[in-house]
Amino acid sequence: RKEVEQDPGPFNVPEGATVAFNCTYSNSASQSFFWYRQDCRKEPKLLMSVYSSGNEDGRFTAQLNRASQYISLLIRDSKLSDSATYLCVVNPPYSGGGADGLTFGKGTHLIIQP
Amino acid sequence: NAGVTQTPKFQVLKTGQSMTLQCAQDMNHEYMSWYRQDPGMGLRLIHYSVGAGITDQGEVPNGYNVSRSTTEDFPLRLLSAAPSQTSVYFCASRVSGRLSYEQYFGPGTRLTVT
Repeated sequence: RKEVEQDPGPFNVPEGATVAFNCTYSNSASQSFFWYRQDCRKEPKLLMSVYSSGNEDGRFTAQLNRASQYISLLIRDSKLSDSATYLCVVNPPYSGGGADGLTFGKGTHLIIQP
Repeated sequence: NAGVTQTPKFQVLKTGQSMTLQCAQDMNHEYMSWYRQDPGMGLRLIHYSVGAGITDQGEVPNGYNVSRSTTEDFPLRLLSAAPSQTSVYFCASRVSGRLSYEQYFGPGTRLTVT
């Protein structure tokens, strides 16, 4: 099982709809979780951290399910500007991915259609 | 505040040539890293540094060297370019030791090796 798995999509969603996608991780001892957003041909940027109790930032809600080892991102009232690739980032300890152990998913491509 | 800067933005090399990708940050971050991003592969860690004078290998270090003589700069050297090194390279930095801190990426260098 890969360390961090995401459905690559693309998810084609009409403007104004609600869309959600998940990311599964393999190491149950993972400590930190993030969603990054990457626009086409641009660098990734932090969208939000994911806390154990779940957290919300405007139209975006992130949740963590430790029992099933996945995190989710929900986008409400989607905008055309939400079109991007969303990267799931997990910190599994002792992953060999470097001192910070951050492991990136390959991303989920979201297209909001007018 | 420039954040993380990278030069050049684009580069074309011939097989066997060497070059250095520059990365600098002005946020006094201890931790810096280099990633490459290839279609369908996600972000992969090449090398990282936890502070001046300290570097270590990531997931895909072969063919690359790094050094960290100052906190601000973290250049990536391609020793003898190969077509397999055609990729987008991102430099990133963050405060070391706290995984909940945001990782900042530079705008990327798009490298083509012919």
